[in-house]
Parts: sequence; C-alpha cells; structure tokens
Amino acid sequence: QVQLQESGPGLVKPSETLSLTCTVSGGSISSYYWSWIRQPPGKGLEWIGYIYYSGSTNYNPSLKSRVTISVDTSKNQFSLKLSSVTAADTAVYYCARQTWVAVAGNIVGDHFDYWGQGTLVTVSS
Amino acid sequence: DIQMTQSPSSLSASVGDRVTITCRASQSISSYLNWYQQKPGKAPKLLIYAASSLQSGVPSRFSGSGSGTDFTLTISSLQPEDFATYYCQQSYSTPAFGPGTKVDIK
Repeated sequence: QVQLQESGPGLVKPSETLSLTCTVSGGSISSYYWSWIRQPPGKGLEWIGYIYYSGSTNYNPSLKSRVTISVDTSKNQFSLKLSSVTAADTAVYYCARQTWVAVAGNIVGDHFDYWGQGTLVTVSS
Repeated sequence: DIQMTQSPSSLSASVGDRVTITCRASQSISSYLNWYQQKPGKAPKLLIYAASSLQSGVPSRFSGSGSGTDFTLTISSLQPEDFATYYCQQSYSTPAFGPGTKVDIK
C-alpha cells in the first residue's frame, strides 16, 4: 500500500520561502507523477504542480513564478518550494500521486489516487 | 482556464436517501472528470475517475455519469459514513477542482 507523508515547518514568515518534503513509502517513486495540492482553511482545493520521477515538471500558471518542485529518487521523496509567501498561502498542503489512465493506448485522463495526510502551513510574522 | 461549478453547494439528507450532485465545466472536458470525498481533517479520497469508473475499494452505491460539460455523482442509498464534502475535478487541462458540495444530516 502506497503511503505519502508530508514534512516541513508549520510556520513561515511573510516574504520567505515555504519548503515541504513528501516521502513515499510502500512503493517506488519511479514511473509516476507526483503532485502538490493545497487547501486554505475552510476553502477548496488548488493544484500547485507535479513532477515526474524523471524530473520534468508542470505548474499551475497562477503560481508558476513562485513554485519549484524537485525529486530525489534515491530517497523516494519529492519537494515543494514556494517563494515570497503571504498570508494567502496559509493552507493545508497535500502531496499526492497522480495516475494517468489509458484505454486501448489512448490517455483518458488522470486522477489523484493516493494522498498524504496533509500539513498545515501558516504564514505569519 | 476551465472553471468548475457544483450544485448544490450543500444539502441535507437522511440515511437511505438517494443523493445526486451535479458538476459543470465551463467548456467541454470529454470524460476527464473525477470525484473525491473529503471528511473534516482528512485528505480527499478518490471515488470516481474518468467520469464513471469506480475506484477500487469504493462501495458500489457511488456512481458517476456524464460527459462534455455536465456530470453527476450519485449515492444510491446514503450511509452514515457518507456525510462529507464532495469535490469534482477536471483533468482535461490544468487540474482544477469544483467548490465542493457538503452533505450533512437532515
């Protein structure tokens, strides 16, 4: 059973960089896409971006200028850095596995099938 | 950007009720639509992917339908553990979630 666990500081000061790591256990990080998703308190879900085990990335255009996602296959981990944070970045941050579905060789979509428990990051001085 | 809307935003229902939640995309997304269930303090859980495929381990009382712009999640007989918030999510372009539908006890 694949398990994901987020780790990192729960409090970040405004204008600084938020850094989180997701450790994958029960399976290899290889051959899958891995995403970060966040949820401000009492609000909905926002996809931040994904990384493929090979290192290729794709980011939400609304956050692209401030986001970096990296992967360390030797540790079965991937990480998120979000720069120049403000109070609006206060949220529960989730890591998740993004699985693509193919039927008869054709991609028919992707979905988030395994999630970490989430970690609350508060931006405050 | 593709915008997702859900209706209703909340509903009250009783155990055993049939519940239907609607999700609409601002443009056609074919069948690139997933449904998740989230309980307070927990991560979302995948229920339905590709509009109508039931995720492994999810009870068969959950079903999904639709294509193009209009989609539906149906719970055929609501159980006590189904009181939660439900989100749709499109994977046609930049992943985006709907605003959620909260199902609570009548």
